[in-house]
Amino acid sequence: DAMVIQNPRYQVTQFGKPVTLSCSQTLNHNVMYWYQQKSSQAPKLLFHYYDKDFNNEADTPDNFQSRRPNTSFCFLDIRSPGLGDTAMYLCATSRGTAMNTEAFFGQGTRLTVV
Amino acid sequence: GNSVTQMEGPVTLSEEAFLTINCTYTATGYPSLFWYVQYPGEGLQLLLKATKADDKGSNKGFEATYRKETTSFHLEKGSVQVSDSAVYFCALHSGGYQKVTFGTGTKLQVIP
Repeated sequence: DAMVIQNPRYQVTQFGKPVTLSCSQTLNHNVMYWYQQKSSQAPKLLFHYYDKDFNNEADTPDNFQSRRPNTSFCFLDIRSPGLGDTAMYLCATSRGTAMNTEAFFGQGTRLTVV
Repeated sequence: GNSVTQMEGPVTLSEEAFLTINCTYTATGYPSLFWYVQYPGEGLQLLLKATKADDKGSNKGFEATYRKETTSFHLEKGSVQVSDSAVYFCALHSGGYQKVTFGTGTKLQVIP
């Protein structure tokens, strides 16, 4: 059974048109992460929530925002997508942030900006 | 800061060949080390992990040993299958609010 679910799997949006990607989890984990993965590159952390505490990476553009209305759901909002935001977006969860904690990833949303 | 260096791919092997994907790291303290696998069009899945020096992680015939003296965590499999074709990411985590650091990934293609 899927434990981290991302919707949609594929999304095409127009340049400058706001888009929201969603992630839900059935694991009741405290931490939820959003990563951006461009073609043939490593995943890059955008931000994460520890419960309701939001932690933004220093180099994440302001164009990217996130919401976590409850434990199970987390959203990635891209306010004005540019062509360079075409990528796979990965949601992940973990029980905590201890160093031996495994992260569980969703299948990703492949976003194409046209 | 933390960093992970993986051998560049793609790596192409024949079925039943021996696989090694090199991974070395730089980190403060004593991080946990992970190998994640990403099949085409999918998210990442944890393949194996090791949380302290000399630990060996293993899963699905893959193994990796945490070598503190050489700061390495090389992935090995004795006999690869076509179904092992994927991208493999080495990663480390130092704990607390430090993010997981991924290597750039190594694409493996296994041909029949």
